[in-house]
Amino acid sequence: GESVGLHLPTLSVQEGDNSIINCAYSNSASDYFIWYKQESGKGPQFIIDIRSNMDKRQGQRVTVLLNKTVKHLSLQIAATQPGDSAVYFCAENIATSYDKVIFGPGTSLSVIP
Amino acid sequence: KAGVTQTPRYLIKTRGQQVTLSCSPISGHRSVSWYQQTPGQGLQFLFEYFSETQRNKGNFPGRFSGRQFSNSRSEMNVSTLELGDSALYLCASKLSATYEQYFGPGTRLTVT
Repeated sequence: GESVGLHLPTLSVQEGDNSIINCAYSNSASDYFIWYKQESGKGPQFIIDIRSNMDKRQGQRVTVLLNKTVKHLSLQIAATQPGDSAVYFCAENIATSYDKVIFGPGTSLSVIP
Repeated sequence: KAGVTQTPRYLIKTRGQQVTLSCSPISGHRSVSWYQQTPGQGLQFLFEYFSETQRNKGNFPGRFSGRQFSNSRSEMNVSTLELGDSALYLCASKLSATYEQYFGPGTRLTVT
């Protein structure tokens, strides 16, 4: 079936460096993408979203890039901090359905102090 | 505004038993979704309720069921528990016709 997948299951970065987490999706009908952060013992927390009619969206220290040609999106975290250590999930919403969400397998980000 | 709450936070059951998990959404949110999270399968959608009606359902066996009450609180039930049902069960609520979901901390279910 169609799914959203992540290229790397784990990522270690030095504090202060930039982090890039990648995600591949296969459903061309998806029109909305979300990145979630899940810390240990907590539920996923919304970070940033992007619609399919956009290529880039920026938030506070985070940027999401969407490449529809190759069905790829990425999350960039600037000046990574120890508090950024968590599992990051990309998720896609199928077009016209607010309620059908497919999550990727997740990438574990570890920040080295 | 209080976040999504789930009870209990931890639960241990034996095979063959049944279990009921509870979720209280954020005030004003009428959509409640349930997810199962395991290391092997990741986050998988179980079902979504809105105004006491199940609107969407994932690919889980009929042993997994749910309901929503008039105050938007939701319960999910798993009957005839199997070892493979051990997982973190997450509940998320949102406003209707929006994408952004707010997750609760989850209920950790262990089946022995």
